Amino acid sequence: EAGVAQSPRYKIIEKRQSVAFWCNPISGHATLYWYQQILGQGPKLLIQFQNNGVVDDSQLPKDRFSAERLKGVDSTLKIQPAKLEDSAVYLCASSFGLQETQYFGPGTRLLVL
Amino acid sequence: DQQVKQNSPSLSVQEGRISILNCDYTNSMFDYFLWYKKYPAEGPTFLISISSIKDKNEDGRFTVFLNKSAKHLSLHIVPSQPGDSAVYFCAASFGNTGKLIFGQGTTLQVKP
Repeated sequence: EAGVAQSPRYKIIEKRQSVAFWCNPISGHATLYWYQQILGQGPKLLIQFQNNGVVDDSQLPKDRFSAERLKGVDSTLKIQPAKLEDSAVYLCASSFGLQETQYFGPGTRLLVL
Repeated sequence: DQQVKQNSPSLSVQEGRISILNCDYTNSMFDYFLWYKKYPAEGPTFLISISSIKDKNEDGRFTVFLNKSAKHLSLHIVPSQPGDSAVYFCAASFGNTGKLIFGQGTTLQVKP
């Protein structure tokens, strides 16, 4: 069974530029999560989708971050414009349902200069 | 507001001995707790979980203990193996949300 796929694996941009990350969850998983993991901290949930609907985006900085899952399968997370403090690993996870085990992708490491 | 805390950033143990990783939480509404393991350049992988109605759950070499009165959980690995060297995150959730609150992580090094 293929795992959660993410791309790119690494990205370096300058502040005020925009960037987008892509995630393809495990086939059949209805729930998709985006987490931000800053160095030395645990992952922090940014947004949670159930199929193509948003369940929780309470910690998403909506002035600069956006995410979509239009067809209820893959998802993109965008930052525009990026700030220095956005440097982190962005993890995508998926699960069969809301209370099921979450499976994580390898993450995208973002460095904002 | 750090609702889930792992106060030990690192732990070093000898191969074959027991590793004990600790986690404290502040929100008494949490009803499900999990441990994830993370290797460098990989995403976290699920290790073991426990519901708040239990005080112990065991899976092979891994056992999680929950002390609700102390709002404390621990992960025991016995015997520890060099392949267990990784960062361990505890996480908590409540209700039917599926939303996980993670601790900061503890880096475990198992020396041969």
